[in-house]
Amino acid sequence: DAGVIQSPRHEVTEMGQEVTLRCKPISGHNSLFWYRQTMMRGLELLIYFNNNVPIDDSGMPEDRFSAKMPNASFSTLKIQPSEPRDSAVYFCASSRLRGAGGETQYFGPGTRLLVL
Amino acid sequence: QQQVKQSPQSLIVQKGGISIINCAYENTAFDYFPWYQQFPGKGPALLIAIRPDVSEKKEGRFTISFNKSAKQFSLHIMDSQPGDSATYFCAASRGYGGATNKLIFGTGTLLAVQP
Repeated sequence: DAGVIQSPRHEVTEMGQEVTLRCKPISGHNSLFWYRQTMMRGLELLIYFNNNVPIDDSGMPEDRFSAKMPNASFSTLKIQPSEPRDSAVYFCASSRLRGAGGETQYFGPGTRLLVL
Repeated sequence: QQQVKQSPQSLIVQKGGISIINCAYENTAFDYFPWYQQFPGKGPALLIAIRPDVSEKKEGRFTISFNKSAKQFSLHIMDSQPGDSATYFCAASRGYGGATNKLIFGTGTLLAVQP
């Protein structure tokens, strides 16, 4: 099992540019989560999907952030336009649905984003 | 009511000692309490988890103690080793109709085990 795959691993961009983060969940997992981690705010849930449908996006900071899951094996998190305060490590995680015994979330290695 | 409060923020323990991290919650609907371990440059990974129908769960040197009436749970690391140095997150979740697994994370504890 390859685990959750995220790309890119590192991203440096300038303020105002569009940033797209990508995630491939573990095959067979039905839930996908996007988190942001910073020293100041810790680990924050941004949005999660069940069966490719967004369930809760209350953690998305503002309209500059958007996430999509066009199919069961791919999701994107887009920031447009990016700002320096978006600098953080972004994690993608996946799990089975809870009703199927899937409480454990498996995290990817993260994308370290720096907005200059 | 959705928060999980974690303490301490950081912890220094001597090799061979016991590390204790505490968490408290308010929402009595939470029914799953995991602990995640995160090494620098890596994503968090599940360490151990407990449900409220038991008061303790042990896996190797790691033990969760759960106090339902006090709405508190804690992680104990026995015989702490330098390799245990990491950030530890407690979390809680409830089944939203049995179909979701949204985790509410604590703020994390940075553990340093000195040799």
